[in-house]
Amino acid sequence: LAKTTQPISMDSYEGQEVNITCSHNNIATNDYITWYQQFPSQGPRFIIQGYKTKVTNEVASLFIPADRKSSTLSLPRVSLSDTAVYYCLVGDINTGGFKTIFGAGTRLFVKA
Amino acid sequence: NAGVTQTPKFQVLKTGQSMTLQCAQDMNHEYMSWYRQDPGMGLRLIHYSVGAGITDQGEVPNGYNVSRSTTEDFPLRLLSAAPSQTSVYFCASSDTPRKQYFGPGTRLTVT
Repeated sequence: LAKTTQPISMDSYEGQEVNITCSHNNIATNDYITWYQQFPSQGPRFIIQGYKTKVTNEVASLFIPADRKSSTLSLPRVSLSDTAVYYCLVGDINTGGFKTIFGAGTRLFVKA
Repeated sequence: NAGVTQTPKFQVLKTGQSMTLQCAQDMNHEYMSWYRQDPGMGLRLIHYSVGAGITDQGEVPNGYNVSRSTTEDFPLRLLSAAPSQTSVYFCASSDTPRKQYFGPGTRLTVT
């Protein structure tokens, strides 16, 4: 199982772009990279997923370099409501993908 | 769609008691899973299921049983509650391993 490493916490101000990097040196060929967001007292919520290069949706962008040993979640123009814990997961696209490890995540605190 | 529902929201047990945490989903997802989250920690996988009648262990299965008799339901049973099982429990479902939908959680305290 690929293990991930993320910063424990990050601070930002409203309107700034926030980049959270995740390291996954042992990523396997079939592994996808998935990011979740979790607010206090709620279950995690899917943000974005990718395999390589760049993926963008209405919420965030995900940058994955060619060697796939790391990935960066980019949140454009954050607001106070983006204060949450962000988890980077790496897992197989098949059933084995459920044996993924959430880790402690990155606590993002957005200030006014 | 109600999505993923969990009951109860809160539960207090005494050591040695047993109980079942309920999880249901109305999205016709094949994959369902149970996680626990301790204060300030990430989620740890307890058990998961890839379809009715098929379950497997996750990272921390000891002390917990599951079964999957229908696509919709995936109950988690605590056999003999211990204080170490005090945690928040989340159920999730998915049509693929790629994107899981999580329930609101059950906050369990074992005294």
